[in-house]
Amino acid sequence: TQLLEQSPQFLSIQEGENLTVYCNSSSVFSSLQWYRQEPGEGPVLLVTVVTGGEVKKLKRLTFQFGDARKDSSLHITAAQPGDTGLYLCAGARTSNTGKLIFGQGTTLQVKP
Amino acid sequence: GAGVSQSPRYKVAKRGQDVALRCDPISGHVSLFWYQQALGQGPEFLTYFQNEAQLDKSGLPSDRFFAERPEGSVSTLKIQRTQQEDSAVYLCASSLESGLGRYFGPGTRLTVL
Repeated sequence: TQLLEQSPQFLSIQEGENLTVYCNSSSVFSSLQWYRQEPGEGPVLLVTVVTGGEVKKLKRLTFQFGDARKDSSLHITAAQPGDTGLYLCAGARTSNTGKLIFGQGTTLQVKP
Repeated sequence: GAGVSQSPRYKVAKRGQDVALRCDPISGHVSLFWYQQALGQGPEFLTYFQNEAQLDKSGLPSDRFFAERPEGSVSTLKIQRTQQEDSAVYLCASSLESGLGRYFGPGTRLTVL
């Protein structure tokens, strides 16, 4: 049973297009993180959101934490080939847990 | 500064062999985590240390898996009597505190033949 469901699983778009990746759960999370992973490397932290309804922006990336802290989204504006990679959401059920639960990931390919 | 390093980067083992995977966390990071990642999937939690104390090992798939961090710095993940289903990338991560974002190493790709 996947506690965090990401959609879509695969996305192939042209450079300049916008996209949104979703991360959904029936469970409440204390915080949620987004990572980006390239082949042969470990995931790299992009952002952490902790407050329901919180919106964070990182250049062309916009992250939102749902009001009920059960879901999150990542929106990329004007995607570039350098955005290609595996995007992972990961949630912590409590603030002091060491256990981070990952979604299955969204593979994004941006074609020039 | 140096990030999280893992060695070896690649390991091929024959079924039944024991393997040891090493993780060097970022200096000063209290928390250390081990994850297993299958191809095309998200990482699965294995175990977590705070300093030398192993606070959560609920993700270890069997008693063939053992992790230690004796001096609160370097950690070793040991897999005994490896099986084909153990083939995966093993990721190590560290953080200043358990609630903060993780810094991941590049992983060790284990292939069991």
